[in-house]
Amino acid sequence: DTGVSQDPRHKITKRGQNVTFRCDPISEHNRLYWYRQTLGQGPEFLTYFQNEAQLEKSRLLSDRFSAERPKGSFSTLEIQRTEQGDSAMYLCASSLRQGSDTQYFGPGTRLTVL
Amino acid sequence: GDSVTQMEGPVTLSEEAFLTINCTYTATGYPSLFWYVQYPGEGLQLLLKATKADDKGSNKGFEATYRKETTSFHLEKGSVQVSDSAVYFCALSSYNFNKFYFGSGTKLNVKP
Repeated sequence: DTGVSQDPRHKITKRGQNVTFRCDPISEHNRLYWYRQTLGQGPEFLTYFQNEAQLEKSRLLSDRFSAERPKGSFSTLEIQRTEQGDSAMYLCASSLRQGSDTQYFGPGTRLTVL
Repeated sequence: GDSVTQMEGPVTLSEEAFLTINCTYTATGYPSLFWYVQYPGEGLQLLLKATKADDKGSNKGFEATYRKETTSFHLEKGSVQVSDSAVYFCALSSYNFNKFYFGSGTKLNVKP
């Protein structure tokens, strides 16, 4: 069990640029989740996948955000035309199966938009 | 909608003091409840959980009991150590396990 991994750990970008983050879940986990955490707050749900299907998206996920999980394994989160308000920690989590309640979190990608 | 409220920090204690971090929740149905811990520079780690009313979760000397009548899941530890310094998050899973709702976190500082 290698845990959930995320890449990169830190990303600094200029406003208006596009960024993409990657998440590799625990290998046998078929559910994958994205959260956003701002300073001093708890994580907020963005979206989740069951295998390759994206089943729910939060209203926080504006049309500048897109997430994919093409083969039901790793996932990518892309932010287009970044804004300073996008600066946050982006967390990925995975869980074993439908109905399993424990989510295991990766270390996060910290995004800073200048 | 579902939500979690936890006490604001920071909480500063001396080593070996007793710890309580309050957490209350609002939920549809019968959620599972969790405490996660975030050490400086690290990701969220599951500390303990409880899946039904009156269950007690425990780990590393920490305990929390799922109280349906008071909709609470308070975290306790009898004797804190400096190494317990971290941010603690209370969370609940939605009824269909599609997402977690987190509290805003409580920072614990333990001084020697």
